[in-house]
Amino acid sequence: AQSVAQPEDQVNVAEGNPLTVKCTYSVSGNPYLFWYVQYPNRGLQFLLKYITGDNLVKGSYGFEAEFNKSQTSFHLKKPSALVSDSALYFCAVRANTGGFKTIFGAGTRLFVKA
Amino acid sequence: ETGVTQTPRHLVMGMTNKKSLKCEQHLGHNAMYWYKQSAKKPLELMFVYNFKEQTENNSVPSRFSPECPNSSHLFLHLHTLQPEDSALYLCASSQGGSLADTGELFFGEGSRLTVL
Repeated sequence: AQSVAQPEDQVNVAEGNPLTVKCTYSVSGNPYLFWYVQYPNRGLQFLLKYITGDNLVKGSYGFEAEFNKSQTSFHLKKPSALVSDSALYFCAVRANTGGFKTIFGAGTRLFVKA
Repeated sequence: ETGVTQTPRHLVMGMTNKKSLKCEQHLGHNAMYWYKQSAKKPLELMFVYNFKEQTENNSVPSRFSPECPNSSHLFLHLHTLQPEDSALYLCASSQGGSLADTGELFFGEGSRLTVL
Protein backbone atom coordinates (compact mmCIF):
# COMPACT_ATOMS: atom_id res chain seq x y z
CA ALA A 1 0.00 0.00 0.00
CA GLN A 2 1.11 3.54 -0.70
CA SER A 3 1.45 6.13 2.05
CA VAL A 4 2.97 9.53 2.63
CA ALA A 5 4.03 11.07 5.92
CA GLN A 6 4.62 14.74 6.53
CA PRO A 7 5.83 14.77 10.13
CA GLU A 8 5.41 18.50 10.73
CA ASP A 9 1.99 20.15 10.88
CA GLN A 10 3.65 23.54 10.68
CA VAL A 11 7.03 25.01 9.79
CA ASN A 12 8.01 28.53 10.80
CA VAL A 13 10.91 30.34 9.15
CA ALA A 14 12.12 33.92 8.88
CA GLU A 15 12.16 35.61 5.49
CA GLY A 16 15.52 35.15 3.80
CA ASN A 17 16.34 31.97 5.69
CA PRO A 18 16.43 28.53 4.07
CA LEU A 19 13.38 26.33 4.49
CA THR A 20 12.82 22.58 4.52
CA VAL A 21 9.49 20.76 4.51
CA LYS A 22 9.86 17.06 5.20
CA CYS A 23 8.24 14.11 3.46
CA THR A 24 8.71 10.36 3.66
CA TYR A 25 6.86 7.79 1.61
CA SER A 26 6.09 4.13 1.23
CA VAL A 27 5.26 2.52 -2.11
CA SER A 28 5.72 -0.80 -3.84
CA GLY A 29 8.22 -0.43 -6.63
CA ASN A 30 9.76 2.82 -7.72
CA PRO A 31 7.91 6.02 -6.95
CA TYR A 32 6.81 9.07 -8.78
CA LEU A 33 7.00 11.85 -6.18
CA PHE A 34 5.37 15.27 -6.20
CA TRP A 35 5.03 18.48 -4.25
CA TYR A 36 1.97 20.70 -4.46
CA VAL A 37 1.12 24.02 -2.85
CA GLN A 38 -2.29 25.29 -1.79
CA TYR A 39 -3.10 28.93 -1.10
CA PRO A 40 -6.23 29.88 0.89
CA ASN A 41 -9.52 29.07 -0.86
CA ARG A 42 -7.71 27.66 -3.88
CA GLY A 43 -7.03 24.24 -5.34
CA LEU A 44 -3.62 22.59 -5.28
CA GLN A 45 -0.91 23.77 -7.65
CA PHE A 46 1.88 21.53 -8.91
CA LEU A 47 5.39 22.58 -7.80
CA LEU A 48 7.75 19.82 -8.90
CA LYS A 49 8.12 16.11 -9.46
CA TYR A 50 10.68 13.33 -9.38
CA ILE A 51 10.28 10.62 -11.99
CA THR A 52 13.78 9.29 -12.58
CA GLY A 53 17.33 10.51 -13.01
CA ASP A 54 18.98 13.26 -10.98
CA ASN A 55 17.98 13.07 -7.32
CA LEU A 56 17.75 16.86 -7.03
CA VAL A 57 14.80 18.29 -8.90
CA LYS A 58 14.02 21.94 -9.39
CA GLY A 59 10.55 23.37 -9.65
CA SER A 60 8.48 26.51 -9.63
CA TYR A 61 9.15 29.63 -7.52
CA GLY A 62 12.71 28.60 -6.64
CA PHE A 63 11.73 25.38 -4.86
CA GLU A 64 13.69 22.18 -5.14
CA ALA A 65 13.45 18.71 -3.65
CA GLU A 66 15.89 15.88 -3.07
CA PHE A 67 14.96 12.27 -3.61
CA ASN A 68 16.68 9.90 -1.19
CA LYS A 69 15.88 6.30 -1.97
CA SER A 70 17.59 4.76 1.05
CA GLN A 71 15.70 7.03 3.44
CA THR A 72 12.51 6.99 1.33
CA SER A 73 12.38 10.75 1.63
CA PHE A 74 11.58 13.63 -0.67
CA HIS A 75 12.11 16.84 1.30
CA LEU A 76 11.14 20.20 -0.19
CA LYS A 77 13.69 22.99 0.10
CA LYS A 78 14.23 26.60 -0.80
CA PRO A 79 17.47 28.53 -0.16
CA SER A 80 15.79 31.82 0.78
CA ALA A 81 12.16 31.97 1.95
CA LEU A 82 9.73 34.72 0.98
CA VAL A 83 6.67 35.86 2.92
CA SER A 84 4.65 34.97 -0.16
CA ASP A 85 5.74 31.33 0.23
CA SER A 86 3.42 31.03 3.22
CA ALA A 87 0.90 28.34 2.25
CA LEU A 88 -0.04 24.69 2.73
CA TYR A 89 2.34 22.21 1.12
CA PHE A 90 1.46 18.64 0.16
CA CYS A 91 3.76 15.76 -0.72
CA ALA A 92 2.32 13.01 -2.93
CA VAL A 93 3.38 9.63 -4.31
CA ARG A 94 2.31 7.40 -7.17
CA ALA A 95 3.73 3.97 -7.97
CA ASN A 96 5.33 3.82 -11.41
CA THR A 97 3.73 0.47 -12.14
CA GLY A 98 0.82 2.04 -13.95
CA GLY A 99 -2.53 3.09 -12.59
CA PHE A 100 -3.59 6.50 -11.38
CA LYS A 101 -3.60 6.24 -7.62
CA THR A 102 -1.84 9.36 -6.29
CA ILE A 103 -1.72 9.44 -2.49
CA PHE A 104 -1.19 12.69 -0.57
CA GLY A 105 0.21 13.50 2.83
CA ALA A 106 -1.73 15.52 5.39
CA GLY A 107 0.04 18.73 4.46
CA THR A 108 2.47 21.08 6.20
CA ARG A 109 1.61 24.70 6.79
CA LEU A 110 4.54 27.00 6.13
CA PHE A 111 4.68 30.40 7.83
CA VAL A 112 7.34 32.81 6.65
CA LYS A 113 7.73 35.82 8.93
CA ALA A 114 9.02 39.14 7.66
CA GLU B 1 -6.72 29.66 -14.22
CA THR B 2 -5.68 26.01 -14.10
CA GLY B 3 -7.83 24.76 -16.95
CA VAL B 4 -10.04 22.82 -14.52
CA THR B 5 -13.33 24.46 -13.56
CA GLN B 6 -15.55 23.32 -10.71
CA THR B 7 -19.12 24.40 -10.01
CA PRO B 8 -20.62 25.34 -7.69
CA ARG B 9 -17.83 26.78 -5.55
CA HIS B 10 -20.05 26.60 -2.45
CA LEU B 11 -22.99 24.32 -1.69
CA VAL B 12 -25.15 23.95 1.40
CA MET B 13 -27.53 21.02 1.50
CA GLY B 14 -29.72 19.15 3.89
CA MET B 15 -29.27 15.46 4.55
CA THR B 16 -32.25 14.55 2.38
CA ASN B 17 -31.32 16.69 -0.61
CA LYS B 18 -29.92 15.54 -3.93
CA LYS B 19 -27.30 17.74 -5.54
CA SER B 20 -24.43 17.41 -7.99
CA LEU B 21 -20.93 18.80 -8.30
CA LYS B 22 -19.56 19.47 -11.77
CA CYS B 23 -16.03 19.51 -13.09
CA GLU B 24 -14.83 20.45 -16.56
CA GLN B 25 -11.28 20.42 -17.89
CA HIS B 26 -9.98 22.23 -20.97
CA LEU B 27 -6.53 20.63 -21.03
CA GLY B 28 -7.15 17.73 -23.37
CA HIS B 29 -6.51 15.26 -20.56
CA ASN B 30 -7.93 11.77 -20.38
CA ALA B 31 -7.90 11.04 -16.65
CA MET B 32 -10.08 12.78 -14.08
CA TYR B 33 -10.21 12.49 -10.31
CA TRP B 34 -12.32 13.35 -7.28
CA TYR B 35 -10.56 14.04 -3.99
CA LYS B 36 -12.05 14.96 -0.61
CA GLN B 37 -10.18 17.46 1.56
CA SER B 38 -11.10 17.66 5.24
CA ALA B 39 -9.33 19.79 7.81
CA LYS B 40 -6.06 18.30 9.11
CA LYS B 41 -6.45 15.07 7.14
CA PRO B 42 -4.67 13.87 4.03
CA LEU B 43 -6.47 14.37 0.77
CA GLU B 44 -8.63 11.32 0.23
CA LEU B 45 -8.76 9.88 -3.25
CA MET B 46 -12.37 9.01 -4.05
CA PHE B 47 -12.63 8.10 -7.72
CA VAL B 48 -10.49 8.00 -10.84
CA TYR B 49 -11.62 7.80 -14.45
CA ASN B 50 -9.40 7.15 -17.44
CA PHE B 51 -10.95 7.48 -20.90
CA LYS B 52 -14.37 7.61 -19.20
CA GLU B 53 -13.84 4.27 -17.46
CA GLN B 54 -13.66 4.12 -13.66
CA THR B 55 -10.27 2.79 -12.57
CA GLU B 56 -10.38 3.56 -8.86
CA ASN B 57 -13.16 3.56 -6.27
CA ASN B 58 -11.53 4.05 -2.92
CA SER B 59 -14.28 2.39 -0.85
CA VAL B 60 -16.47 5.45 -1.16
CA PRO B 61 -19.99 5.20 0.32
CA SER B 62 -22.76 4.79 -2.22
CA ARG B 63 -24.28 8.14 -1.28
CA PHE B 64 -21.54 9.55 -3.54
CA SER B 65 -22.12 8.59 -7.17
CA PRO B 66 -19.65 9.67 -9.87
CA GLU B 67 -20.42 10.11 -13.53
CA CYS B 68 -17.97 10.67 -16.37
CA PRO B 69 -19.83 11.17 -19.67
CA ASN B 70 -16.67 12.11 -21.59
CA SER B 71 -13.01 12.84 -20.91
CA SER B 72 -13.69 16.53 -20.29
CA HIS B 73 -16.51 16.29 -17.77
CA LEU B 74 -16.86 14.69 -14.37
CA PHE B 75 -19.78 14.84 -11.97
CA LEU B 76 -20.26 13.84 -8.36
CA HIS B 77 -23.88 13.16 -7.51
CA LEU B 78 -24.73 13.57 -3.83
CA HIS B 79 -27.67 11.95 -2.06
CA THR B 80 -28.61 11.59 1.62
CA LEU B 81 -25.29 12.89 2.85
CA GLN B 82 -24.18 13.11 6.47
CA PRO B 83 -22.76 16.15 8.28
CA GLU B 84 -19.33 14.46 8.33
CA ASP B 85 -19.35 14.62 4.53
CA SER B 86 -18.88 18.38 4.79
CA ALA B 87 -15.54 19.10 3.14
CA LEU B 88 -13.82 20.64 0.15
CA TYR B 89 -14.25 18.41 -2.88
CA LEU B 90 -11.45 18.77 -5.40
CA CYS B 91 -11.50 17.70 -9.00
CA ALA B 92 -8.26 17.08 -10.88
CA SER B 93 -7.12 15.88 -14.27
CA SER B 94 -3.97 14.38 -15.70
CA GLN B 95 -2.76 13.31 -19.09
CA GLY B 96 -4.09 9.80 -18.61
CA GLY B 97 -3.76 7.10 -21.20
CA SER B 98 -1.14 4.60 -20.25
CA LEU B 99 2.43 4.79 -19.05
CA ALA B 100 2.92 8.18 -20.64
CA ASP B 101 1.09 9.73 -17.71
CA THR B 102 3.74 10.54 -15.11
CA GLY B 103 1.08 11.72 -12.77
CA GLU B 104 1.15 15.50 -12.55
CA LEU B 105 -2.33 16.57 -11.47
CA PHE B 106 -4.10 19.79 -12.38
CA PHE B 107 -6.67 20.78 -9.77
CA GLY B 108 -9.78 22.89 -9.84
CA GLU B 109 -10.42 25.34 -7.04
CA GLY B 110 -12.81 23.02 -5.28
CA SER B 111 -16.45 22.90 -4.22
CA ARG B 112 -16.98 23.67 -0.54
CA LEU B 113 -19.83 21.44 0.67
CA THR B 114 -21.69 21.94 3.92
CA VAL B 115 -24.22 19.32 4.98
CA LEU B 116 -26.70 20.48 7.60
